[in-house]
Parts: sequence; structure tokens; C-alpha cells
Amino acid sequence: DVKVTQSSRYLVKRTGEKVFLECVQDMDHENMFWYRQDPGLGLRLIYFSYDVKMKEKGDIPEGYSVSREKKERFSLILESASTNQTSMYLCASRTANQPQHFGDGTRLSIL
Amino acid sequence: AQSVTQPDIHITVSEGASLELRCNYSYGATPYLFWYVQSPGQGLQLLLKYFSGDTLVQGIKGFEAEFKRSQSSFNLRKPSVHWSDAAEYFCAVVVYNQGGKLIFGQGTELSVKP
Repeated sequence: DVKVTQSSRYLVKRTGEKVFLECVQDMDHENMFWYRQDPGLGLRLIYFSYDVKMKEKGDIPEGYSVSREKKERFSLILESASTNQTSMYLCASRTANQPQHFGDGTRLSIL
Repeated sequence: AQSVTQPDIHITVSEGASLELRCNYSYGATPYLFWYVQSPGQGLQLLLKYFSGDTLVQGIKGFEAEFKRSQSSFNLRKPSVHWSDAAEYFCAVVVYNQGGKLIFGQGTELSVKP
């Protein structure tokens, strides 16, 4: 069974801090994704990666960056956290022609 | 542009009653469609998928969905709802020319009355 692990379930940070959200998958999937989830807006794609060191912007990349140095790990970085980045963040991975598998999410609060 | 619409934000059904959650999509080519379920504080779990072939697909936990191209719909059904089905349900379409990203509907929250 595919396992996607997000390093933190809950995280509280302060405005202006640099924040790292980590995601690890154990199935050698090529593609990994970061979404944020907000009430009434569903899930929106922030960034995705289709290979090591490769990344593409999603629909709402502003204020975020990503890193994929190893195939199994995909990090989301908030360069200077702001209160409007308070949200639930979900990581997912997939391989070709298969559905995405999601982690349990990180609920991030920026104070 | 591709989009997914779930017209019902919140639905309440009685335990044992049947359930239908609506999903409409807008996609130029043959869509690959999914239903995911999210329990409070959890990630998303795949219920079922439609890639091609039989338009009635079976999923886990007794759910099924029917793909109707003429209506651009992919509605989720369950004949008899259990209290443990209370959760949020998301319909999604995959966009393969963008790394296989998913476009989600806004979600439907299901409450189950005893």
C-alpha cells in the first residue's frame, strides 16, 4: 500500500518566518504535488514535481517554493510566512496513469 | 478551461437511506474522474476512479459512481448510508498535460442522522 507521510500534523509559526513542510512517499512515484485546502475553495495546486530537481508551478504558487533533491521527498517552503497562508496543506504522489495518493495533511497556523 | 462543480455544499441523510452526490465536469477530452473522501482532520482517501470502459464503476465502502458523458456528470451513489460515512466528499478530474494534477470540486459535506 502506498504511504505518503507528512512530517507534521499541526504546526504554528509566526509571520515572517521561513517554514518548511516535508513530504515523503515510499513507492518510488515520479510525480509529487502540494495542495492547499481552504473551506469553500476545495483543494488548489501550489506546485508539482515530475522528477528529481524538476518542478512546475501550479495554480497558486505565489509566496511558496519547493525542493525535490531526492525522488521520495518533496518539500514545500514558505519563504516569509504570512497570515493568509494559514491553511491545511496536503501532499500527494502518483505514478503514470494511476490515481494520486494523499498524506494526512499539515494544518498550519501563522500568527 | 477544465472545471469540476459539486452543486451541493452540504447534504444530510438518515442512516439507512440512499445517497447521491452530484458532480459535473468541464473537460475537452475524455475525462479521468475520481471521487475522494476526507474524514475530519485526515487526508483524502480514494473511493473510486473512472478511466474508461464500463460507465458504472464500483469503489470501496459500498460506493459506486456512474459516468454520463451526455450530461458531463459523475455522480456518486450508495444504497444505504452508515453513520461512519459522514465526511467530506470531493470529485476531481485529472489534467494529464500538467503532470497529472487534479482539479477538484468544492466538496460536499455529508451529515448522517441516526
